[in-house]
Order: sequence, then C-alpha cells, then structure tokens
Amino acid sequence: DAGVIQSPRHEVTEMGQEVTLRCKPISGHNSLFWYRQTMMRGLELLIYFNNNVPIDDSGMPEDRFSAKMPNASFSTLKIQPSEPRDSAVYFCASSLGLYGNEQYFGPGTRLTVT
Amino acid sequence: AQSVTQLGSHVSVSEGALVLLRCNYSSSVPPYLFWYVQYPNQGLQLLLKYTSAATLVKGINGFEAEFKKSETSFHLTKPSAHMRDAAEYFCAVSDPTDSWGKLQFGAGTQVVVTP
Repeated sequence: DAGVIQSPRHEVTEMGQEVTLRCKPISGHNSLFWYRQTMMRGLELLIYFNNNVPIDDSGMPEDRFSAKMPNASFSTLKIQPSEPRDSAVYFCASSLGLYGNEQYFGPGTRLTVT
Repeated sequence: AQSVTQLGSHVSVSEGALVLLRCNYSSSVPPYLFWYVQYPNQGLQLLLKYTSAATLVKGINGFEAEFKKSETSFHLTKPSAHMRDAAEYFCAVSDPTDSWGKLQFGAGTQVVVTP
C-alpha cells in the first residue's frame, strides 16, 4: 500500500516567493496533520484537519502560512511570501482520526529559502 | 495539559550494548503511548504502541517498551544496539482533550552507536 505522499521532496526558493507543499494521505484516513521540523524548535504541529475540516490551526506561525484540504485525498500548505526563517523540513501525517490511533508520516519536504 | 518528557537529548551507546531511552508522561486519563523512530532524511516511523492490552510492548527491530503507571513512564529498550539503530527517537502520547488523533511529541533523543 502506498504511504503518505509528499511533493516536492526538496524545494529551493528565493525570499518573497510563494511556496506550495502538497500531501496525499493514506486512503481511508480521515485526519491529516502538517508538522514543521527544525534543529532549533524540533517537531511542531502547524495545523490539522478531520474530514477535510481544519480543527486546530493554532500552530501556524503567521498569516503568511495557509493550509487547505479540498478533498479527502489532497492537502496543501502554502507560504506566501516565504522568508529564510521558513527553511525547515515539513512533514504531513495522516491517521484514522480517533483518540489513540497512530499517525503515519510522509517522507517530508525539505524547504530552503535563500 | 498532556505532556511528554524525554530525558537526554543525546545518547551514545556501543554496538552490542543495551539501549535505554527514557520517557515520562503526564496524563489525567489512561494514556495511549507511542515510540517513533526517524532515520536520517526520512519521516517518522512507528516503532511500537501501548494501548493498555499489555504493559510490555514489543515493537519492530528488536525494541520493546514497558508501561509503568506508578512511575508514569514508558521507557524504550533494546538489549543489543546495532549500527543501524543510529537515529532520532520520539516518545508521543495521545492528547485526551482531542478526539481526532492529535499526538503530543517529546523533544526527541538522538542515538549514536559507536563501533
């Protein structure tokens, strides 16, 4: 079975440009989570969805960040405009969306903003 | 609030030696607990999960963890370390205030295995 799919795997962009990260969750999973990982701050939960509805976006750092889930098989995380401090690895994870269930992580997108 | 504490951000072990990674949790209700592993340049992968069925949980790659309610701990062990065990390990707990699968992760422990 295919796991969580993320694209692109690597993204290098210049400051001020728009960046869109994409995620396809595991089929049948109804919760989707976006994380950011840096050396300084570790693993941070940015936002998560259940049944395509955003449940908690309190981890989104600024208004420059936005996320959407138009259907059960696709989500995007957008940064506009991007800044060098946004450089990080961004992970998407999905789960069956019940208390006690494990999350399955994608391979991540390594974003570098110059 | 739910929280997870991992003692030691870095652990160095010799190949063949015991691996012991410590995790303590705070929870107002019986928790679901997890250990994840992250190999370099990869996403997090589930090692094992505690669901109250048994206090000793066996996972992949020879790892196991023991749930001790009296100590609010869920330490991860492996009897004999292998070079391929070099990775970062995360303890996590289900958030009892959340109904949709949110997890609280610890800060992680980086394991280095020396020959």
